[in-house]
Amino acid sequence: AQSVTQLGSHVSVSEGALVLLRCNYSSSVPPYLFWYVQYPNQGLQLLLKYTTGATLVKGINGFEAEFKKSETSFHLTKPSAHMSDAAEYFCAVSESGGTSYGKLTFGQGTILTVHP
Amino acid sequence: DTAVSQTPKYLVTQMGNDKSIKCEQNLGHDTMYWYKQDSKKFLKIMFSYNNKELIINETVPNRFSPKSPDKAHLNLHINSLELGDSAVYFCASSQANQETQYFGPGTRLLVL
Repeated sequence: AQSVTQLGSHVSVSEGALVLLRCNYSSSVPPYLFWYVQYPNQGLQLLLKYTTGATLVKGINGFEAEFKKSETSFHLTKPSAHMSDAAEYFCAVSESGGTSYGKLTFGQGTILTVHP
Repeated sequence: DTAVSQTPKYLVTQMGNDKSIKCEQNLGHDTMYWYKQDSKKFLKIMFSYNNKELIINETVPNRFSPKSPDKAHLNLHINSLELGDSAVYFCASSQANQETQYFGPGTRLLVL
């Protein structure tokens, strides 16, 4: 079984400040990990993903995330927030093995607000 | 050149009605999914099809019936709609054995 916990349903930062969105997961097999972003009234857009290899992954719009197996974490960061980053962010996990065909389990979502 | 498209975008209907939502992907993917996002924005998988075969069927009322006429389409039919069915339904697709899923824009269903 797999699960995802996103710490903090709301995060508020000032423009130009560091963005840190927290995600912890549990998985019985090596996980694949994802961050998606959802803008109001839109679908989900993939920001970045970790499957294997380098544990620090870079995504679109200046975001990156680091897979830390020992901490079962996959936190999302961006050095300098922009007003356009305001959205809801979802962390998700799927199992790398078996025939799950990519069953994604999502966290509860974190709403990011960016203040001028 | 929309990758994953859904119709309709909005759907308002009365309790007890039957409705369908259509999904099409032009990415050449083998696997398609339906997700439900409730009023608290919680996303949960409902179904997944691979090459027109049902792979994942979560605990969903049997009023919900997915149908895949070909691997580019996965439609969702809902019978006897209930108030609790009000949600946003997202279709997604991925290439078999790859894990990146591409989502459609969603269908906002409101049952009155």
